[in-house]
Amino acid sequence: KAGVTQTPRYLIKTRGQQVTLSCSPISGHRSVSWYQQTPGQGLQFLFEYFSETQRNKGNFPGRFSGRQFSNSRSEMNVSTLELGDSALYLCASSFGPLGSNSPLHFGNGTRLTVT
Amino acid sequence: EDKVVQSPLSLVVHEGDTVTLNCSYEVTNFRSLLWYKQEKKAPTFLFMLTSSGIEKKSGRLSSILDKKELFSILNITATQTGDSAIYLCAVKGSQGNLIFGKGTKLSVKP
Repeated sequence: KAGVTQTPRYLIKTRGQQVTLSCSPISGHRSVSWYQQTPGQGLQFLFEYFSETQRNKGNFPGRFSGRQFSNSRSEMNVSTLELGDSALYLCASSFGPLGSNSPLHFGNGTRLTVT
Repeated sequence: EDKVVQSPLSLVVHEGDTVTLNCSYEVTNFRSLLWYKQEKKAPTFLFMLTSSGIEKKSGRLSSILDKKELFSILNITATQTGDSAIYLCAVKGSQGNLIFGKGTKLSVKP
């Protein structure tokens, strides 16, 4: 069974630009959640999508948004990029929603650098 | 405010040593606690704990949860250099919130 796939692996953008990251979950998984990982803050929850609906959102500004398609693939968009958005962005999939007892399986992440 | 605190933040041991990593939490409507190992990129799933006092074991790794005292430990016996990684603890609430600790960086020297 293929794992969680994130594309692209690396991205370099300049301040003010926008970026779209993609995540394909494990086949059969309906929940996709997104996380930002930085050395100072650790892993922080961005949002979760389940069956194309956003179920939960972390404490991030509205510049961070996402969506989920009918095949469960998800995209995350960050607009008006700031230097502080430089981070590893991880997505995770699970069979059930985050509130269930389904374990999360992570992708390898997208390393975003904002200059 | 929900929080997950891991200790120690970093640890250096020699091959063959046994280590215990700690995770304490305060999370609304606790659902489960998860342990992950992160080496380079993707955190890999180790254990999910939902009930107190029941040890989960996988090879040299084991973990247990205490829901009364709100903590979990992850034990690694006979450590090897391949165990060097960041170990992450995360707690799920039934409302769908998921809180990660900052991780424990384990370095195993030959």
